[in-house]
Amino acid sequence: EPEVTQTPSHQVTQMGQEVILRCVPISNHLYFYWYRQILGQKVEFLVSFYNNEISEKSEIFDDQFSVERPDGSNFTLKIRSTKLEDSAMYFCASRGRLTDTQYFGPGTRLTVL
Amino acid sequence: AQTVTQSQPEMSVQEAETVTLSCTYDTSENNYYLFWYKQPPSRQMILVIRQEAYKQQNATENRFSVNFQKAAKSFSLKISDSQLGDTAMYFCAMDNAGNNRKLIWGLGTSLAVNP
Repeated sequence: EPEVTQTPSHQVTQMGQEVILRCVPISNHLYFYWYRQILGQKVEFLVSFYNNEISEKSEIFDDQFSVERPDGSNFTLKIRSTKLEDSAMYFCASRGRLTDTQYFGPGTRLTVL
Repeated sequence: AQTVTQSQPEMSVQEAETVTLSCTYDTSENNYYLFWYKQPPSRQMILVIRQEAYKQQNATENRFSVNFQKAAKSFSLKISDSQLGDTAMYFCAMDNAGNNRKLIWGLGTSLAVNP
C-alpha cells in the first residue's frame, strides 16, 4: 500500500540554523500539507500546497517558513532561522483529487537547542 | 471559526470491553468531513474512521464505529472489544470540504487499554 514518507525521523539543530524537512507524498496525490505538533499540545495546520503554489497558510507560517516541491516527488518544508519554539513534531500529509482523507507520514521530530 | 473539542484528556478501559471517546465540533459549513486519527507511541498519525456530514448513516470500520449527531454537532468514537494495541492518543479532526480542506484538530484523548 502506498504511503507518505518523511526524512529525517529526528533532526537536532542549533537555534538560528536552517533546517529542511523532507516528505515524499503518495505518488498520484495532488494536495499536500504540513502540520506541527508541539509536545503535549494539539496538532496545528501550517500550510497547504496545490498546483505548485501555497493554497492556504496559517499565522504560524511566517516568513521564516517556506515550502517547495522541487522535483515532482519531494515536498519540503524549510525553516530559515530556527527558534527554540520551533521544536515540535512535523507531519506531512497528502490527499488525492477524489479522496477526502489526508494520509500522514511518520513525522520528523525537530529539536532546536 | 471552526473548532473541535475533546473533553476527555485521558481514559482507560479493560481489554475486551467497550469504550466511547467524545468529540464535539462547531462549524457554519453545511458540507464537511469528520475524522478520528490514532497516534500510538511511535507518533505516527493513523486514520481510524471518517464520516461525511451529509451521510446520516454512522460509519463503521470493524471494531470502530461512530455516533454522528449532526444537529448536536457531536461525533463520538466507540471501540468495541478493546485490544492492548488500541492504546494510543486519539484525535478528532474536521475539514470543511472546501478547496484546501485543512484539518482542524481536537486536543486528543489518551486511551489506555489495561490487561
